[in-house]
Amino acid sequence: DAKTTQPPSMDCAEGRAANLPCNHSTISGNEYVYWYRQIHSQGPQYIIHGLKNNETNEMASLIITEDRKSSTLILPHATLRDTAVYYCIVRVGGGNQGGKLIFGQGTELSVKP
Amino acid sequence: GAVVSQHPSRVICKSGTSVKIECRSLDFQATTMFWYRQFPKQSLMLMATSNEGSKATYEQGVEKDKFLINHASLTLSTLTVTSAHPEDSSFYICSARTGHDEAFFGQGTRLTVV
Repeated sequence: DAKTTQPPSMDCAEGRAANLPCNHSTISGNEYVYWYRQIHSQGPQYIIHGLKNNETNEMASLIITEDRKSSTLILPHATLRDTAVYYCIVRVGGGNQGGKLIFGQGTELSVKP
Repeated sequence: GAVVSQHPSRVICKSGTSVKIECRSLDFQATTMFWYRQFPKQSLMLMATSNEGSKATYEQGVEKDKFLINHASLTLSTLTVTSAHPEDSSFYICSARTGHDEAFFGQGTRLTVV
């Protein structure tokens, strides 16, 4: 299973873009990169996912490097409500146990006024 | 996104008793659900994969006789913590996979064993 590496914590000023990096150097060709976030004492919330092309939705943008060994989640205009732990996950796939999401330690993002 | 509901959101039980936690997919059918446990200031740890109509698959180190999982329908999976002890106190979270292979999470259940 591909593993991910994220910085343990980051700060961001309110209204500025938050760029959260993730390394996944052992990712295989058919594995997707998923991003979830968890606000304190709640279940994780899906943000975005991608395979190799950059993706954008109403919440964020996902930039995946050409070699797919790293990615960056971008929150274009961070608000105080974006303060959370952000998890970058490479999805385990295939077989009867496909689709498991294995969580690493994530990045604790603090958005400050 | 799809909605996954957990019940109860909080529960306090006495040591030695059993507690059942329900996980429901409200607007989609889920052949596969996942159960996680999270201790304070730690990440989510996958406990087991629950498949509708078949036995759950447990992760290494998780006691299947202590954490009973039943996935009797396409919209409901239950986790029963049997003979609970204080060390079982934790935040339990379920996740359900949609037909488009996306995973959505419940709001979690805070279990406190006294």
